[in-house]
This record gives sequence, C-alpha cells and structure tokens, in this order.
Amino acid sequence: SAVISQKPSRDICQRGTSLTIQCQVDSQVTMMFWYRQQPGQSLTLIATANQGSEATYESGFVIDKFPISRPNLTFSTLTVSNMSPEDSSIYLCSVGLANSYEQYFGPGTRLTVT
Amino acid sequence: AQKVTQAQTEISVVEKEDVTLDCVYETRDTTYYLFWYKQPPSGELVFLIRRNSFDEQNEISGRYSWNFQKSTSSFNFTITASQVVDSAVYFCALSEDFYGGSQGNLIFGKGTKLSVKP
Repeated sequence: SAVISQKPSRDICQRGTSLTIQCQVDSQVTMMFWYRQQPGQSLTLIATANQGSEATYESGFVIDKFPISRPNLTFSTLTVSNMSPEDSSIYLCSVGLANSYEQYFGPGTRLTVT
Repeated sequence: AQKVTQAQTEISVVEKEDVTLDCVYETRDTTYYLFWYKQPPSGELVFLIRRNSFDEQNEISGRYSWNFQKSTSSFNFTITASQVVDSAVYFCALSEDFYGGSQGNLIFGKGTKLSVKP
C-alpha cells in the first residue's frame, strides 16, 4: 500500500494569488496524478506527472494555470495560479504502485478562493 | 470515448435495507479496469474494489457485493443490510491504462450519494 500526504490540508486564498499544493508518498512511484473535485461534483483528472518528464495535461487544463513539478519519485507539487472563485475545489493527488492494482489517493487539499 | 454513468444521484434507505448502486461504462478497449470508491463526509477516498475486463466473476466482501456484466457494460454495487456508517458518496470509475505494472488514471462517474437513516 501507499501512504500519501498533502499540504496544506485546506486554505482560504484571495483572488489573483497562487497556491502550491504538495504531495508526498512514502514509496517511490512512477506515475502521479492530480485530480480536481469541485463542490458536490465528481473527480476530474488535471494532469499526469511522471518523474523526469513534463506533465501531461487533460483537455481544459493548461500548464500556465496549473504548473506541476515532479522532482523525484516520491514528491510532486501542483500550483493553482491566478486564482478565481471558480478554482474553489478539493485537489487530490493519487499514485499507482508498481504491481498493484489499486490507485491510492491522498487526503486532498480543500481550497476556497474569495 | 470513455465514460462512466451513475444515473442515481441520491438514494435514501432505512437501515437494514439492501441497496444497489448502478454503474454503466463505455469504452472501446477490450482491456480495462473498473473500480468503486467510497467518499464519506470526511472527504477521503476509500478504495473498495477493482476488477479487470477479463474477470466477470461476481465478488462478495462481507455486506458488499459487485455484479460485473460485460454484456450490459455494467458494474453494479450492492450493500446488504445497510448501516448508517454506509452513508457516503460512492464513485464508480474506469481505467484503460496499466503502465509498466501500475494503474493509470481513472475516469469517474458523477457519484451516488447514499443516505442510510436509522
């Protein structure tokens, strides 16, 4: 199994500012994923972050708005840039472990933009 | 295109009733993986089950059971003798990718909110 931690767990931010969310895994993983869950909605994949390469973004998400770093096999960050109230969501990172069928999710970062 | 449909937005039952949560999926791949996750009010996602497309055997785990039918592209989830602690949002998800032995990204349905009343 994998233990995933995220920081911060929640934050309230002003419009126009940026927030960087950290995701730490207790084991080395090749693939990490960032999802967004808007209030009362399902989870939507933002991007896939592989160590050593540029993140791959899903339709509707761009690097300028959601830059991602993946400096090593246990850590990733997602930045939400130039925030607006529409960015208020829970942001979750997840990983797939080698030889494991499960995809593990972090506890999420609850972001409110005022 | 891949898609997961959970037509039931909200279900309310009384404790000890059985309840089935429906999930219908669309995919062009012959190899794919189906999941159910539970999201209680605290917000974390709890993994319940994963099935691959080659394994249509139904599965039972305690009060939980899953019915996978490729003919109808459905992967339904039944809770027997529901309890208040089962109250949560339940998500069905599909993955078409398995990279180098690790699971690829998931495509989620909209979720079904289950309320179990005492």
